Amino acid sequence: NAGVMQNPRHLVRRRGQEARLRCSPMKGHSHVYWYRQLPEEGLKFMVYLQKENIIDESGMPKERFSAEFPKEGPSILRIQQVVRGDSAAYFCASSPFGAGDTDTQYFGPGTRLTVL
Amino acid sequence: AQSVSQHNHHVILSEAASLELGCNYSYGGTVNLFWYVQYPGQHLQLLLKYFSGDPLVKGIKGFEAEFIKSKFSFNLRKPSVQWSDTAEYFCAVNLKGSQGNLIFGKGTKLSVKP
Repeated sequence: NAGVMQNPRHLVRRRGQEARLRCSPMKGHSHVYWYRQLPEEGLKFMVYLQKENIIDESGMPKERFSAEFPKEGPSILRIQQVVRGDSAAYFCASSPFGAGDTDTQYFGPGTRLTVL
Repeated sequence: AQSVSQHNHHVILSEAASLELGCNYSYGGTVNLFWYVQYPGQHLQLLLKYFSGDPLVKGIKGFEAEFIKSKFSFNLRKPSVQWSDTAEYFCAVNLKGSQGNLIFGKGTKLSVKP
């Protein structure tokens, strides 16, 4: 059973370009969480999605960031007009139930975004 | 505000030494608690978790953690570390009944000298 997959593993963008990060959850998991890790910081929650629905985007910056999890295909985190402050590691996690009571999140390897 | 504190930024130990990494949380409700480990160049892996029941939780690779509700703590322990335990360790919390998003501490880097 393959784990959570993320691609690309490394992404370099110039200021003003768009970044698209992909996450394929574990087989059988329909809940996806995105986290961002800035240098010397812990992971910070960004957004929680189920198939075709955004459940909680309270951690997402209001502008330039968007996320989707379509019926078919991976979840996408999209950052428009990137700035140097967006340089970070972006982690995706998936879980089978999405419930806070008994659920465990399994993490992908992350995408390291560098903005020049 | 809800938060998770890990007291040590970097811990350096010799092989066979005992390990204790501190984790305290600030949360008003009932919580689930997790420790994740990130080995160099690898993704986060679940080390152990606490949902309910026995507050002493055993995880993989000889790690254990004890939930002390009165102290809002969930410290990670291992009696004898190995060089292969060199990694970064993250404590995380979520609120029971929530959507499940995790609040992470800043992490503790453990370096074990052979």
